[in-house]
Amino acid sequence: QSVLTQPPSVSAAPGQQVTISCSGSISNIGNNYVSWYQQLPGTAPKLLIYENNKRPSGIPDRFSGSKSGTSATLGITGLQTGDEADYYCGTWDSSLSARLFGGGTKLTVL
Amino acid sequence: EVQLVQSGAEVKKPGATVKISCKVSGYTFTDYYMHWVQQAPGKGLEWMGLVDPEDGEAYYAENFQGRVSITADTSTDTAYMELNSLRSEDTAVYYCAKTRGGLPTSLDYWGHGTLVTVSS
Repeated sequence: QSVLTQPPSVSAAPGQQVTISCSGSISNIGNNYVSWYQQLPGTAPKLLIYENNKRPSGIPDRFSGSKSGTSATLGITGLQTGDEADYYCGTWDSSLSARLFGGGTKLTVL
Repeated sequence: EVQLVQSGAEVKKPGATVKISCKVSGYTFTDYYMHWVQQAPGKGLEWMGLVDPEDGEAYYAENFQGRVSITADTSTDTAYMELNSLRSEDTAVYYCAKTRGGLPTSLDYWGHGTLVTVSS
């Protein structure tokens, strides 16, 4: 059971948009930056969003992040079949002195 | 270009020890923390611990405390993760990943992963 809670799966049609939530607590999301990672099948995770809402170079602006209190959200617009992947939120927990990951959300583009 | 190149797949017997390496290039090794993450087949990401290559200080996840050792060799720009008392549940892909900045920051570059299979 992950300390950060994500829905196990989400789905939407190509061209549509989807949001993935990540819920934590004051010691993790509440007081630290949230990052998001995309893991395509058979590959290593890739940083998608850092510091709650910033995109690394090369990440399209179809991907966005936000944070409010102890929750964070990843948004993806203009869905493409290539976006089918597992998405993980991550943050630092100041009480545990530990890096945390959400349980992951499998995105299906129907 | 930043690269994290991990050692190859391993097959170990229960009770054995495995040591995986992660050789970096393209940045100053001592400027960023190095994390290790476990991913069991079909499962999510589980943080194992990290090392500060600058001084060798390591932090470990409670679930792996006592069984894992994470070190850094600044002479070869290589990080290591050693896991002992292996059991079947340790069969997984292990990733190294560097922080983007200080301790609590995101993991911006990841190794390709090392598959460890624990089987008698």
